[in-house]
Amino acid sequence: DAGVIQSPRHEVTEMGQEVTLRCKPISGHNSLFWYRQTMMRGLELLIYFNNNVPIDDSGMPEDRFSAKMPNASFSTLKIQPSEPRDSAVYFCASSTFGLAVPANTGELFFGEGSRLTVL
Amino acid sequence: GESVGLHLPTLSVQEGDNSIINCAYSNSASDYFIWYKQESGKGPQFIIDIRSNMDKRQGQRVTVLLNKTVKHLSLQIAATQPGDSAVYFCAENMPISYSGGYQKVTFGTGTKLQVIP
Repeated sequence: DAGVIQSPRHEVTEMGQEVTLRCKPISGHNSLFWYRQTMMRGLELLIYFNNNVPIDDSGMPEDRFSAKMPNASFSTLKIQPSEPRDSAVYFCASSTFGLAVPANTGELFFGEGSRLTVL
Repeated sequence: GESVGLHLPTLSVQEGDNSIINCAYSNSASDYFIWYKQESGKGPQFIIDIRSNMDKRQGQRVTVLLNKTVKHLSLQIAATQPGDSAVYFCAENMPISYSGGYQKVTFGTGTKLQVIP
């Protein structure tokens, strides 16, 4: 398997522009997470999907951020309009876990990230 | 709650020595914990996990210890090698309130391990 695939790897844009980050999870995984990583705040969970349904979006910073998962093999994270403080590395991760059961394993498989710079 | 990383703790270790990386987790209801390793320019990678009904688990050159009383995790790396240089994160599976049993994975601040050849 190719692993979790994210695009673009790097994006430089100007304040006010729309940014769309894309993620293809590992085939067969039913959980997908979007994280944002900065030096100041570390790895922050933005949103968690299970079976394409958003389960927890309490980490989404504000209305400028939105995420979708139209099917099991694709998710997007959109920022509109973008601001300089959105500059960060955005990671997508997928997993096989869902509802907490004794056999639950929480290992996340991460993509290589999308580095966003908003000027 | 979440950690705010204003400063990444750094641990410098001589090659061949043992390393111990510590982590305090936040939620007493968390029942599953994982250590991840993140190399420069890459996403975090799984190292070892432990469930809350255990206090120790060993892997290849790594051991994780869990102290639920004080909500503390540690990662021990034996005979540290230059390839172990990276940032290490602990993560906890935290229950999501009112979700019907789902959990989310939250990460600690991270510790940078530097191995001196």
